Amino acid sequence: QVQLVQSGPEMRKPGASVKVSCQASGYSFSAHYLHWVRQAPGQGLEWMGWINPSSGGTKYAQKFQGRVSLTRDTSISTAYMEVTRLGSDDTALYYCARDGSPWSAYPAGMDVWGQGTTVTVSS
Amino acid sequence: EIVLTQSPGTLSLSPGERATLSCRASHTITSNYFAWYQQKPGQAPRLLIYGVSRRATGIPDRFRGSGSGANLTLTISRLEAGDFAVYYCQQYDFAPYTFGQGTKLEIK
Repeated sequence: QVQLVQSGPEMRKPGASVKVSCQASGYSFSAHYLHWVRQAPGQGLEWMGWINPSSGGTKYAQKFQGRVSLTRDTSISTAYMEVTRLGSDDTALYYCARDGSPWSAYPAGMDVWGQGTTVTVSS
Repeated sequence: EIVLTQSPGTLSLSPGERATLSCRASHTITSNYFAWYQQKPGQAPRLLIYGVSRRATGIPDRFRGSGSGANLTLTISRLEAGDFAVYYCQQYDFAPYTFGQGTKLEIK
């Protein structure tokens, strides 16, 4: 079945970097954009950006521009999100989510979500 | 940035009742790149509605999305025990693809 499986929990000190993976299965990885969304403890959802796995093209929320990098390895159907210069306010559950429309051609929402990866930033 | 404001913040209803959740956008959304998600504790969000009014796969017809412009609505008829959760609206027409702050639907 279609699923996204993310890497395990991470703990980092302030100022460090973290890289989270998201492995897709059950569908054509290159055909669907992948979004990254985070959720701080007890808070709502915050969209961070997307990557087009086919071209590697990306779009970021301005808030994360320059500090977040989205990449992919099509040979293993895996997308990556790296966050640098971590601060305590980056402590959150990070999700990858599939865009429901191939090549984001029409509005289809985020129809498949990973299980989330907890990133804790603490000294 | 398009700000989405959901109301009410918390909605207390009983099973069998109808729930009406609202989402107001700071700018008129002329496209239909608009979605609703349900999130239960400890779970990832689940897509309910996309394209303003289209139900995602497996979503019962008790869930209905409607609206246009800057005012969108999610209506859940005949509430069941499994419907009590937090609901988020989202626009994905203009980056950043913002979410509302959520409406918590709780059992009265």
